[in-house]
Amino acid sequence: SQKIEQNSEALNIQEGKTATLTCNYTNYSPAYLQWYRQDPGRGPVFLLLIRENEKEKRKERLKVTFDTTLKQSLFHITASQPADSATYLCALINTDKLIFGTGTRLQVFP
Amino acid sequence: EAGVTQFPSHSVIEKGQTVTLRCDPISGHDNLYWYRRVMGKEIKFLLHFVKESKQDESGMPNNRFLAERTGGTYSTLKVQPAELEDSGVYFCASSQGLKPPETQYFGPGTRLLVL
Repeated sequence: SQKIEQNSEALNIQEGKTATLTCNYTNYSPAYLQWYRQDPGRGPVFLLLIRENEKEKRKERLKVTFDTTLKQSLFHITASQPADSATYLCALINTDKLIFGTGTRLQVFP
Repeated sequence: EAGVTQFPSHSVIEKGQTVTLRCDPISGHDNLYWYRRVMGKEIKFLLHFVKESKQDESGMPNNRFLAERTGGTYSTLKVQPAELEDSGVYFCASSQGLKPPETQYFGPGTRLLVL
């Protein structure tokens, strides 16, 4: 069956360090993969999109990699700040709809 | 520019009652999506409107759920009669065009609790 897995355990890191979140998928061949941020009580907010022919994408302190052989995407936040604390969701695009992972909660402490 | 809005923000109803959720997409967005997150699970797709037409309703759980988008503007999602397992957060999202990958903009969600 099709599945998207993200580390369900919270990731706790110290301010200034790099946070790395993992998204693994099975039985999909997505052309695109997106990462979203979700804060408590709010809807997901789009962060980055990466295409299957792109190995890496950057936006300010964010970096996403996409390995279609390993069926994995990594999401990095460099120089992390307490304001980066949130749940991060990866999502595959399947025709018109998004297929989400369960998300990983990131906590950045001072 | 106003984002996607949803009403109500919270709803608590008893099993067997009816609830109607409303979503107002970003003005000019032809695509409107409904998603749902039940406790401990991932956000799951329910259906997709293009203007007033249902493009894809493959995620609708059963015929107790009815979605409409009259006039291609706001949308409603009615649950009748509500069951305990319908509890969760219902998100609406909208996007502008049809060619993927379009960025979907999400509303804050409606938190539904069925007792």
